[in-house]
Amino acid sequence: QQQVKQSPQSLIVQKGGIPIINCAYENTAFDYFPWYQQFPGKGPALLIAIRPDVSEKKEGRFTISFNKSAKQFSLHIMDSQPGDSATYFCAAARGAGNKLTFGGGTRVLVKP
Amino acid sequence: KAGVTQTPRYLIKTRGQQVTLSCSPISGHRSVSWYQQTPGQGLQFLFEYFSETQRNKGNFPGRFSGRQFSNSRSEMNVSTLELGDSALYLCASSPEAGRETQYFGPGTRLLVL
Repeated sequence: QQQVKQSPQSLIVQKGGIPIINCAYENTAFDYFPWYQQFPGKGPALLIAIRPDVSEKKEGRFTISFNKSAKQFSLHIMDSQPGDSATYFCAAARGAGNKLTFGGGTRVLVKP
Repeated sequence: KAGVTQTPRYLIKTRGQQVTLSCSPISGHRSVSWYQQTPGQGLQFLFEYFSETQRNKGNFPGRFSGRQFSNSRSEMNVSTLELGDSALYLCASSPEAGRETQYFGPGTRLLVL
C-alpha cells in the first residue's frame, strides 16, 4: 500500500522556472513531512521539513505548502538553477522514532 | 564531523548467499535507520536501531536483520539472497530517536546474480 503518492515522476523546467512537486498522503496519523534531495551516487539529503500545524514554510529558494484538510503538501523551487537538477522525495513520519515513508520520487531537470 | 560511512560501497553476490553491510553513524548520533532503494519500489524503510535496540521495523521478510553495537555502529544482514534483493542500501543516522534530521550515507550497492 503506497501511503505517500508523489507526482509528477519527472519534470523539466528552464532556468529560473518554478518546479512544483506534489505529494498526497492517506494516514492522518502522519505528523512530520520532510523533503529530501538526492544526486546520483549520493544518499538523500534533507532540504526542508514541515509539521501539520503550519501551512507554509520557506528555506532559501525552497518552499513547502501544506494542506491538512486535503492531506496534500507540495514543494516549490523558486528561481531554479541547473544545480537543482536532482531527484526529490517527499516523506512522512508518525509517532516515535525515525521511520520515514517516502513518496516515489520526482526527477527534476533544470535546463540552462 | 565526518558523515555517515557505509562499507562496502559495492558488492556482488550470488543467489543463496548471505551478506553483511556496515554503517558508521556520525559521531555522537545514537539512532541508525536502514532503507532499501530500488527503481521499482523506491525508498523503503527496513529498520531503526537506537541504543542497541530495534525501535521500528518495516515490512521486509525475516531474511533481513540488523543490529547495533554499543558504539552506535550498525550492521544489516541479508540471508539467502534473492535476485530481487539487488538494491542500494542506505543507512541514516540522527542524534536521538525523536523526529530529527536524518543524515544519509552514500549507500552500499548490492547486485545479486
